[in-house]
Order: sequence, then structure tokens, then C-alpha cells
Amino acid sequence: SQELEQSPQSLIVQEGKNLTINCTSSKTLYGLYWYKQKYGEGLIFLMMLQKGGEEKSHEKITAKLDEKKQQSSLHITASQPSHAGIYLCGADSSNTGKLIFGQGTTLQVKP
Amino acid sequence: GAVVSQHPSRVICKSGTSVKIECRSLDFQATTMFWYRQFPKKSLMLMATSNEGSKATYEQGVEKDKFLINHASLTLSTLTVTSAHPEDSSFYICSARDPSSDTQYFGPGTRLTVL
Repeated sequence: SQELEQSPQSLIVQEGKNLTINCTSSKTLYGLYWYKQKYGEGLIFLMMLQKGGEEKSHEKITAKLDEKKQQSSLHITASQPSHAGIYLCGADSSNTGKLIFGQGTTLQVKP
Repeated sequence: GAVVSQHPSRVICKSGTSVKIECRSLDFQATTMFWYRQFPKKSLMLMATSNEGSKATYEQGVEKDKFLINHASLTLSTLTVTSAHPEDSSFYICSARDPSSDTQYFGPGTRLTVL
């Protein structure tokens, strides 16, 4: 079965600092999704990556997918308290839309 | 942007009763929707795939008679937790796949508490 490892599990950074969250799959992926969640709420879509080597950015968040389509990173530049939350990577390895999720990374940003 | 809604957002029920949760895609038609379950401080676990006009497909270990799924239209899927017990208490989240972009959007979730 597919495994999706996300690291780190938790992260505390000072406001203004950069940070990176990683997501590694045991299988080649059709699509890799990044979401943000506040505890007890739904998932907010951030980005979707489908092509090897693809990179997407939105405001201060950049996501990359490696050439082999097994590893992705999410990078936040100049973090702000509004970036705090749980970041989840979801992997679709079968092009069915069924997503397997990583364990999540809890981010705290200290003012 | 695409929006998926869920209703109710929170429900408390007595043990033995059934609870229905609705998931609607508001901006697009979704032939496929998904139901997930999330335990406190844990990640999401896929329960089943809801297919419009056909039977849902369930993940291993998920009781289909316990969690009834109906995908009556291209914008609505329902999850009914039958004869709910305290161990069914959880956060249930649905998602819908926008066929024009393959992007999967999630609802705000439903917090179920079974007393």
C-alpha cells in the first residue's frame, strides 16, 4: 500500500523566518495536493502539482514536485502569524481522485 | 473559487439513532465525491468514494451498512451514519473533484458527537 511521509510533524518559527515542509511518497504520483487546515475546520486548497519538476507559487507559498513525482516540498517565505495551522499533503497515485494524506505538519508562527 | 458545503456543521445525537450529513458542490458538477474521517490530532482517512448514479465504493475496513452513501445528483452526496454509537464520534469531511481542473475541494466538515 502507498505510504506518505510528511516532515516535520511540528514546527515553531519566528515571524519573518522561512520554512520548508516535506512530503515523500513510496509511489510515483499522479497528483500531489497541499492543503491548510485550522483545527476542527475543513481543508483549504493551496496548490496541486501534477508534472515532474513542476513549481507553483501563491503569495508567499511555493510548492515543488520532484522530477520522479515522489517528493514535494512546501516553502513559506517570511512567515506571518496568519500562516499558522496544519499543513497536509495529499497524494493521488491512481488518478481516481482518492487521496492518501500525510500525517500533517503543525506550524506555529511566533510574533 | 470552487466551494463545497456540508450540513450540518455540528450534530449531537443519542446512541442508536441515525444521522445524515449532506455534501454539496456549489460551483461545479461532481460525478465523484469522497468521504473522509478525521480523529483528533490525526490526519484524514478515506472512507469511501461516492459515485453519481451508482453504488459507493468503500475502503477496506469501512462497514458499508454502517455508513450509507447516496449520490443522488451531480451536486449532492449524503452520508448516513446508521445506529450511531459513541465510537462513531468523529469529524467527517467530504470532498468533491472539479472535473475541469482535477482539483479536489473539501467541505468545512461535520463534527458528530454520539452520546
